[in-house]
Amino acid sequence: AQSVTQPDARVTVSEGASLQLRCKYSYSGTPYLFWYVQYPRQGLQLLLKYYSGDPVVQGVNGFEAEFSKSNSSFHLRKASVHWSDSAVYFCALSAANTGNYKYVFGAGTRLKVIA
Amino acid sequence: DTTVKQNPRYKLARVGKPVNLICSQTMNHDTMYWYQKKPNQAPKLLLFYYDKILNREADTFEKFQSSRPNNSFCSLYIGSAGLEYSAMYLCASSSGTGDTGQLYFGEGSKLTVL
Repeated sequence: AQSVTQPDARVTVSEGASLQLRCKYSYSGTPYLFWYVQYPRQGLQLLLKYYSGDPVVQGVNGFEAEFSKSNSSFHLRKASVHWSDSAVYFCALSAANTGNYKYVFGAGTRLKVIA
Repeated sequence: DTTVKQNPRYKLARVGKPVNLICSQTMNHDTMYWYQKKPNQAPKLLLFYYDKILNREADTFEKFQSSRPNNSFCSLYIGSAGLEYSAMYLCASSSGTGDTGQLYFGEGSKLTVL
């Protein structure tokens, strides 16, 4: 069975600082991996996705993530955060490449950017 | 238009009463999902429709029902609400082709059971 763990429930960073949000997954096959963001009073929106190829994928608003098969990780990074990045970030995994469209989410990391 | 709409946004229900939540999408996606989201927990998949085929998770099989009268609409039905059903319910859709599985979410329906 698949699982996703986001070990940090809350992260606080100063505006302009760099950011890393951690995501670990468990899946015996090759996963499809996603980061979604939920801003206040909005639905979850896709930040970026990884299917194959270059392990570093670029997303919207300067976010990127790096897939590591050896570490079973898909950490999210940003070089310089802005106050508007305050939101809840969800890592997700799917086994869609097997024809199984079930997605598994982590519990989310609430990011607070302070001045 | 990549919009998924959910109604109602907020629902207050009494214990033992039925609840019906509605979701619609105009992207002609073949798959629609319902997730339950409680504070500090991961979204939990309740069920999904692939075309007209309903797939329900084993541990929620008897608690939730759903219908999909056409490609655009999907409902989530709770026959008798309990306090434990208080949560945010997220509807999402995806296409099996083209966008390789990205989920498109609605804003959610917040259910409070009293």
